[in-house]
Amino acid sequence: GAVVSQHPSWVICKSGTSVKIECRSLDFQATTMFWYRQFPKQSLMLMATSNEGSKATYEQGVEKDKFLINHASLTLSTLTVTSAHPEDSSFYICSATGDPWDKIYEQYFGPGTRLTVT
Amino acid sequence: LAKTTQPISMDSYEGQEVNITCSHNNIATNDYITWYQQFPSQGPRFIIQGYKTKVTNEVASLFIPADRKSSTLSLPRVSLSDTAVYYCLVGDSDDMRFGAGTRLTVKP
Repeated sequence: GAVVSQHPSWVICKSGTSVKIECRSLDFQATTMFWYRQFPKQSLMLMATSNEGSKATYEQGVEKDKFLINHASLTLSTLTVTSAHPEDSSFYICSATGDPWDKIYEQYFGPGTRLTVT
Repeated sequence: LAKTTQPISMDSYEGQEVNITCSHNNIATNDYITWYQQFPSQGPRFIIQGYKTKVTNEVASLFIPADRKSSTLSLPRVSLSDTAVYYCLVGDSDDMRFGAGTRLTVKP
């Protein structure tokens, strides 16, 4: 099956610094990638959708200048949390879709990145 | 985008069959129904997907009535390792939003 990786799996940073999270599709070309945020005991909240080579589409309420998304290639998308604050501490998950294999509409999810801002 | 409604939580015992129903009254003609499983601190994992009638794979079955306004995920003979949150999503791959999910707890 399709595999999506994220790096790092966890990161601790100081308030005011920036953190970059990578999302890679390892064995397929991802036409679209998605970034989600998940707080403890809550559901996944879609932050933005990105297509390779074009600007990301952000969900309402998500600050695009704070959460910079770059989808430079068909296998890599990055999320940069700029000037991180403790309230940005969360579990960030990416997913990707590509050419359908035996499933028609499926997002392949990465393992997630735990961000803690101190 | 069709909104989904699921029970917040369910309890079961090992070896039992578990059925989780999801309501999606405003499902569109082109929408598919997809179920994901999520363990703590992990990304969601695809379980099953369907459009209408019944779909079965090695881990679950998905029952969809003719009006498609609801769907039921059936997990046969659950084990302790099936304790997780189960999400029902309606839409296509480019427009999927997670609802609150159902927290399934399997007890020994």
